[in-house]
Amino acid sequence: AQTVTQSQPEMSVQEAETVTLSCTYDTSESDYYLFWYKQPPSRQMILVIRQEAYKQQNATENRFSVNFQKAAKSFSLKISDSQLGDAAMYFCAYRSAETSGSRLTFGEGTQLTVNP
Amino acid sequence: NAGVTQTPKFQVLKTGQSMTLQCAQDMNHEYMSWYRQDPGMGLRLIHYSVGAGITDQGEVPNGYNVSRSTTEDFPLRLLSAAPSQTSVYFCASGLTRDIQYFGAGTRLSVL
Repeated sequence: AQTVTQSQPEMSVQEAETVTLSCTYDTSESDYYLFWYKQPPSRQMILVIRQEAYKQQNATENRFSVNFQKAAKSFSLKISDSQLGDAAMYFCAYRSAETSGSRLTFGEGTQLTVNP
Repeated sequence: NAGVTQTPKFQVLKTGQSMTLQCAQDMNHEYMSWYRQDPGMGLRLIHYSVGAGITDQGEVPNGYNVSRSTTEDFPLRLLSAAPSQTSVYFCASGLTRDIQYFGAGTRLSVL
């Protein structure tokens, strides 16, 4: 079974600075997808960014980018120019390309605080 | 377009009671899932569906039933509530397996 680990329960960053959230995963599969989800205080989960394991190019969405290291099974999220609205719980998630349905395996989450 | 709607938002049950958590989406998505979120554990998959009439078990299915009689609705049934089922429950749907839209969650307490 796949596992996803987020070793930083809490992180903080100053507004306008850059922060990197870590995620590692364990799998024996070669084809899979990785995601970062954001959960603000409203509780609703929002997809931030998605990475396909077969794509070597790191995904980018505006101020959010990932550092995907397939051999190291590492998938970190970098938030540039941090804003107060970025404060949330961030979850890393894994989905096998071989199973049916949208079976996501989540990490434990990292609570991000943005200081003004 | 309401997205993914979960009802109720909050619920308190007594041990042994049964109830149904409702989930509805108006985006004609085939893929729907139920997760539970517990402190320090992230979200764990309970059941999922790949289309009307098709459901399967996730990581933690015991004590829960689901059905998918229509594309729009995916209710989660607690057969006999236990304190271990105290959690926040999220329903998600997607047109593809990748992009999942989550509901706002249902906070359930079992006394």
